[in-house]
Amino acid sequence: AQSVTQPDIHITVSEGASLELRCNYSYGATPYLFWYVQSPGQGLQLLLKYFSGDTLVQGIKGFEAEFKRSQSSFNLRKPSVHWSDAAEYFCAVGGSSNTGKLIFGQGTTLQVKP
Amino acid sequence: NAGVTQTPKFQVLKTGQSMTLQCAQDMNHEYMSWYRQDPGMGLRLIHYSVGAGITDQGEVPNGYNVSRSTTEDFPLRLLSAAPSQTSVYFCASSYLKASGSRNEQFFGPGTRLTVL
Repeated sequence: AQSVTQPDIHITVSEGASLELRCNYSYGATPYLFWYVQSPGQGLQLLLKYFSGDTLVQGIKGFEAEFKRSQSSFNLRKPSVHWSDAAEYFCAVGGSSNTGKLIFGQGTTLQVKP
Repeated sequence: NAGVTQTPKFQVLKTGQSMTLQCAQDMNHEYMSWYRQDPGMGLRLIHYSVGAGITDQGEVPNGYNVSRSTTEDFPLRLLSAAPSQTSVYFCASSYLKASGSRNEQFFGPGTRLTVL
């Protein structure tokens, strides 16, 4: 079955510290992988995506993610967190079919301590 | 461009009432979808459409109807509201063409629905 798991429901980091949010997926075909961010009361915004090529992808707001096929993972990282990064983060997986469907993980809420 | 718009922003219904959540996009996207967001469950796909006149069920379609008469609009109908449908509803759209789901989905601001 196709699924996405974000093992950490809630993470707290200090401002300036590094961040890693975990994402594991189960997908039968070549996966397309996405990270979205949702600020409080807002819709979702795309941070970055991977579908082929270099397994380390850069996104907006200084985020990056690394695709590891052997581990079925697509973890999101940021070297130095800012208070404005506090939000909920969603990992999602899609495929090469023309349906456009995405499967989302449960989300990880990031809290940033001053 | 306004992007993806949703109305209303907030709605309170009584059990058994019906209503329609509106979604419109002005980007000429083929793909449109409805998700519901519940705490600890992420976003779950309700219905989606790959073009005008074409709709299909997602993961949690029961209690909801959709239609797609134009490229721009994709309304979601609750036929007989139940407390279990209390949630935040998001509409999203994207290009489709030959790239499938590799295209970025653009999300509306959401509708917060409470069913008493």
